[in-house]
Amino acid sequence: DAGITQSPRYKITETGRQVTLMCHQTWSHSYMFWYRQDLGHGLRLIYYSAAADITDKGEVPDGYVVSRSKTENFPLTLESATRSQTSVYFCASRSAGGYEQYFGPGTRLTVT
Amino acid sequence: DAKTTQPNSMESNEEEPVHLPCNHSTISGTDYIHWYRQLPSQGPEYVIHGLTSNVNNRMASLAIAEDRKSSTLILHRATLRDAAVYYCILRDGTGANSKLTFGKGITLSVRP
Repeated sequence: DAGITQSPRYKITETGRQVTLMCHQTWSHSYMFWYRQDLGHGLRLIYYSAAADITDKGEVPDGYVVSRSKTENFPLTLESATRSQTSVYFCASRSAGGYEQYFGPGTRLTVT
Repeated sequence: DAKTTQPNSMESNEEEPVHLPCNHSTISGTDYIHWYRQLPSQGPEYVIHGLTSNVNNRMASLAIAEDRKSSTLILHRATLRDAAVYYCILRDGTGANSKLTFGKGITLSVRP
């Protein structure tokens, strides 16, 4: 299917475990983004990528790792999950010269 | 990044026009005004954007004050499906790496 997809849509994990959230887009957009959304904070940018192999920190990068070996994929890894990382995570993409950012459906992550 | 100020919430009646205000008194000359909305349990979606002139598209209209220190998103005939959180965001148009910074937005409720 065309568009931007995230997997899994729901995930429960335990404190200290490593978990990877996947993001895939079919438009070959240069830019990809990871946000988290918590009650009372709105969406906050975790990491973003301007192209394959180019990534940069956003507002709240601590505890997260990203990679981008292919243009269409932008996985987000929590190396050692903490309860404070319980959140809804949104991936987004945008073309290099574009103004519209497209968001995925989100992954709801619970860390117990 | 320049900040925006929006009311926390607003109510409207179905099939009536809705005017959602946004203040951005510290806007710079290269900042575009973007509006996104987030329906319940979904990722944000683009609504409209503009720089100086008023803009119309199939979803909404954007009215920008002459001094650009405020703007108004206009939904011409609200439907129940328009109940969402609406975000007013400034984005620097000069940098390809410029990012969207989300505030808390305004929660729009639509009464049948």
